[in-house]
Amino acid sequence: EVQLVQSGAEVKKPGESLKISCKGSGYSFTSYWIGWVRQMPGKGLEWMGIIYPGDSDTRYSPSFQGQVTISADKSISTAYLQWSSLKASDTAMYYCARHLRDVHEWAKNWFDPWGQGTLVTVSS
Amino acid sequence: DIQMTQSPSSLSASVGDRVTITCRASQSISSYLNWYQQKPGKAPKLLIYAASSLQSGVPSRFSGSGSGTDFTLTISSLQPEDFATYYCQQSYSTAFTFGPGTKVDIK
Repeated sequence: EVQLVQSGAEVKKPGESLKISCKGSGYSFTSYWIGWVRQMPGKGLEWMGIIYPGDSDTRYSPSFQGQVTISADKSISTAYLQWSSLKASDTAMYYCARHLRDVHEWAKNWFDPWGQGTLVTVSS
Repeated sequence: DIQMTQSPSSLSASVGDRVTITCRASQSISSYLNWYQQKPGKAPKLLIYAASSLQSGVPSRFSGSGSGTDFTLTISSLQPEDFATYYCQQSYSTAFTFGPGTKVDIK
């Protein structure tokens, strides 16, 4: 079974750093992109960025470029999302999701499955 | 970025009703449109990819259609487990964007 398991909920103070994780299993981790999606309380889904664990090629949404860092350690099939200095506005649920793509039509792609989510709370 | 809109933002329906949700893109995205279902406290789940392809394991009462800028998700006969929020997402541009969601609740 293809599965993405995320690290547990975090409570942090403004200015602190944080790294959350997403561990893949049941498939070749290095062969598929992994994306990160933010969901602020009571709000919709926002794509943050995506990484190819095979070579760590990473793309960011312009809205999140410079605000977070996405990385991966293929030796342990784990992707990461990190902040160097958290803000209260970073309070949200964060999901990772495997990105699948049709080999013949690049734009024919989708996210499946999704991790269970990591709730990040930033409060003084 | 390609902007996605959905209508309605919410709807109330009864078990057995036929439900249609509309998604519109700010520019043509061909058929590169996906639909997800999210239940409260849960992660999103893929229902439909490439506008009309049903994801494996998803009940056949769900269907998708459309191309260009206008798309629809239809639930042919609403079941109790279908009460959730539904999101569309375009994959035409690498700056993936989601619609704001449509919440389906019980009438």
